[in-house]
Amino acid sequence: GAGVSQSPRYKVAKRGQDVALRCDPISGHVSLFWYQQALGQGPEFLTYFQNEAQLDKSGLPSDRFFAERPEGSVSTLKIQRTQQEDSAVYLCASRAEGGSPLHFGNGTRLTVT
Amino acid sequence: KNEVEQSPQNLTAQEGEFITINCSYSVGISALHWLQQHPGGGIVSLFMLSSGKKKHGRLIATINIQEKHSSLHITASHPRDSAVYICAVRFTGNQFYFGTGTSLTVIP
Repeated sequence: GAGVSQSPRYKVAKRGQDVALRCDPISGHVSLFWYQQALGQGPEFLTYFQNEAQLDKSGLPSDRFFAERPEGSVSTLKIQRTQQEDSAVYLCASRAEGGSPLHFGNGTRLTVT
Repeated sequence: KNEVEQSPQNLTAQEGEFITINCSYSVGISALHWLQQHPGGGIVSLFMLSSGKKKHGRLIATINIQEKHSSLHITASHPRDSAVYICAVRFTGNQFYFGTGTSLTVIP
């Protein structure tokens, strides 16, 4: 596809369930970012990959959050034992090498009930 | 925690008005993006700047590196410009930090 694709578009989980959010970046994009956006707020950084290497995970709010990109393309953000405060839109963005612009997916809206 | 500040937070304008949205940041940056987010929609990158000025249609973005400040201008605003505009900056490394956004409503 032409852009960054995220799935599912919406996810409702019961408190305590595990969820997995998928991001398909633009083909060939080296850098991949995950962001969490609470209602009415700007996106907050979660983690960053360069190819398959997770170079920065300082934004992950707890050890219940885990991200991987095993082959340097598709990435999965997993949240274990979801809590209500995890409810947010999770955005994925990718970027080619160097000073190229960010391309965002449409996000996954997670609601934990 | 947020090192990127945007103003105003909310802006209502009449169709045709000239609009300015401001972004200030705390330390030197390597790049700055202006992004547009429509309700329920994804985010689109409007501009990426590291110096000077860029123009695309009715949109103009400027950056002053010394003053650590950028502005996004919209000329002849239109209701379809209604969206949230977000400033994102890249400091050293590859992390991007985002402002909280400016919610723009253009009234016909």
